[in-house]
Amino acid sequence: GDSVTQMEGPVTLSEEAFLTINCTYTATGYPSLFWYVQYPGEGLQLLLKATKADDKGSNKGFEATYRKETTSFHLEKGSVQVSDSAVYFCALTMKTSYDKVIFGPGTSLSVIP
Amino acid sequence: NAGVTQTPKFRILKIGQSMTLQCTQDMNHNYMYWYRQDPGMGLKLIYYSVGAGITDKGEVPNGYNVSRSTTEDFPLRLELAAPSQTSVYFCASKAGLDADTQYFGPGTRLTVL
Repeated sequence: GDSVTQMEGPVTLSEEAFLTINCTYTATGYPSLFWYVQYPGEGLQLLLKATKADDKGSNKGFEATYRKETTSFHLEKGSVQVSDSAVYFCALTMKTSYDKVIFGPGTSLSVIP
Repeated sequence: NAGVTQTPKFRILKIGQSMTLQCTQDMNHNYMYWYRQDPGMGLKLIYYSVGAGITDKGEVPNGYNVSRSTTEDFPLRLELAAPSQTSVYFCASKAGLDADTQYFGPGTRLTVL
């Protein structure tokens, strides 16, 4: 079945370091891909999305490119800040009767000054 | 707009007790969802609704019930609480089938002892 795999966390980085969080997916058809972020004590917020192959989603300095050939959607940021500390979820959506969303397990990121 | 609101924020139940988790959205969204988030896991879909009067089961519906009498409200009912239902519960909404972004509430942290 459809699934999303993310790199294991937690990830701890120093401020201004480069961030990569790997995400790969398995899906029949052509899903839309998302990164959601969950700050401590809050619900999930959409960070960025891409709806077709080779699309690049970007927001708040984060980027991810929809790679159909490698079934990947890796999240990157060139210089992380303490305020980026959160849990990041990769997800995909398939067009079904209710637009089922499949989430990865999440990757916890801690950025230290 | 307040977006998606959930009450209560926290609750402790004894085994066998019942409770209703409230969810309201003011965006006139047709699609609404209930998820549970267990530690270190992604979100699992409990129930969803594609409009007032229409509900259906997700991946993990056992032990829960829902209703959707209005577009705005989508309460989740636990009839006989069990320790396995200890989790964080998130409500989400989406405008319609062609919209691809879900908007999440802040969550309800439920502990069953």
